Formats: sequence, structure tokens, C-alpha cells
Amino acid sequence: GIQVEQSPPDLILQEGANSTLRCNFSDSVNNLQWFHQNPWGQLINLFYIPSGTKQNGRLSATTVATERYSLLYISSSQTTDSGVYFCAVYKAGSARQLTFGSGTQLTVLP
Amino acid sequence: NAGVTQTPKFQVLKTGQSMTLQCAQDMNHEYMSWYRQDPGMGLRLIHYSVGAGITDQGEVPNGYNVSRSTTEDFPLRLLSAAPSQTSVYFCASSYASGTYEQYFGPGTRLTVT
Repeated sequence: GIQVEQSPPDLILQEGANSTLRCNFSDSVNNLQWFHQNPWGQLINLFYIPSGTKQNGRLSATTVATERYSLLYISSSQTTDSGVYFCAVYKAGSARQLTFGSGTQLTVLP
Repeated sequence: NAGVTQTPKFQVLKTGQSMTLQCAQDMNHEYMSWYRQDPGMGLRLIHYSVGAGITDQGEVPNGYNVSRSTTEDFPLRLLSAAPSQTSVYFCASSYASGTYEQYFGPGTRLTVT
């Protein structure tokens, strides 16, 4: 099956700092999503981005499908950004099963 | 528009008991699915449905049963709970065509003793 690797596994930032999270995948995909799992366990949709670049406030994401990676940028981080960030991909013919990476644990210190 | 809702939020079962986890969505999504999240193992697909009356197995279906009688609801049944089913369960939904973006419910934290 498709492999999804995220880096770094852990990241500690001071409030106000910027960060880049990376997601590499092993095959071509039809869907790529970024999620934020907050400390209460809820999975929040950040981006649906099988290709191209999108921005939403302080967050932006870029997927280069031909090179099989995606980047999530967080600017001017806030303590509420803390949690786990997951990249998940779906490949046609896989019953729409999203394959999740192992996540990046982000801690933003005040 | 409530999105994807799940009940209960928390549940404790004894080994051998059965129960149903509820999932509902109000976005008229054809596709619905159940995942479980275990520490260090990410989310894994249990069962999915592409429409009312149609269900199929995912990666880890053993010990679970599903049915889909309406577009809105997709309950997950644990037939005889085992400690290995202690996990957080998420329901997700999406359209069957066009965008494949999936939306997740808030989760149900299940403990089997």
C-alpha cells in the first residue's frame, strides 16, 4: 500500500515563530488532506490539496504531486496551534481509505 | 449544519458486552466510513459505505458490524467487545464524486475492561 511519512515527528516553537511541516508519499494520489488534531482529540480539516497551493489565514499548504510531497506552513504560531498535524492521502481504487502519516506533534510555548 | 456527529463521546464496556456507536451527517454525503485511532498506529479504516444499502470492509473489520439504511446514518456495532477494541473511533463522510474531501466527527473514546 501507499506509504506516508511526515517530518519532523516533534516540533517545539516559541509563540510567534514560523514552521514548515513536510509530508512525503510513495505513490500518485487523488486526494491529500491536512488535519489538525487538537488536544481534545478532534480532527479539524485544514486543507484539501491534491495539488497546488492554498492559503487560509496564517496557514498555507503546497502539494507538488509530481514529486510526491506536501508542505504545511504555519506563520506567527499561537499556543492554540498546538496539537498533532496529520497528512492523509487517498489513492484511486483503495476504497477511499485515507492513509494517514504518523503526524507531527507541535507544541507552541507562550 | 451540524456536520458529522457521533454519540456517545465516551463509553466503558465490559468484555463480551455489545453496543452501537452512532454516526450521523447532514451534508447529504454518499460516502461514510469508520476509523479507529490507536496510539502510535494512526487511523485505520474499519468499514465504509458508498450509499444506503451498500457497505464494505476496510483494513480492520473483525469484531465490527455496520449497516446503512439511510443516507444520513451509519452506525457501528461491536458484537462482543474485547480489550483490543479499546480505541478512539472516528466517523467520516464525503461526496462520492467530485471533491474527495473527507470530514470527521468528534470521535468516541471507548474503553473495554
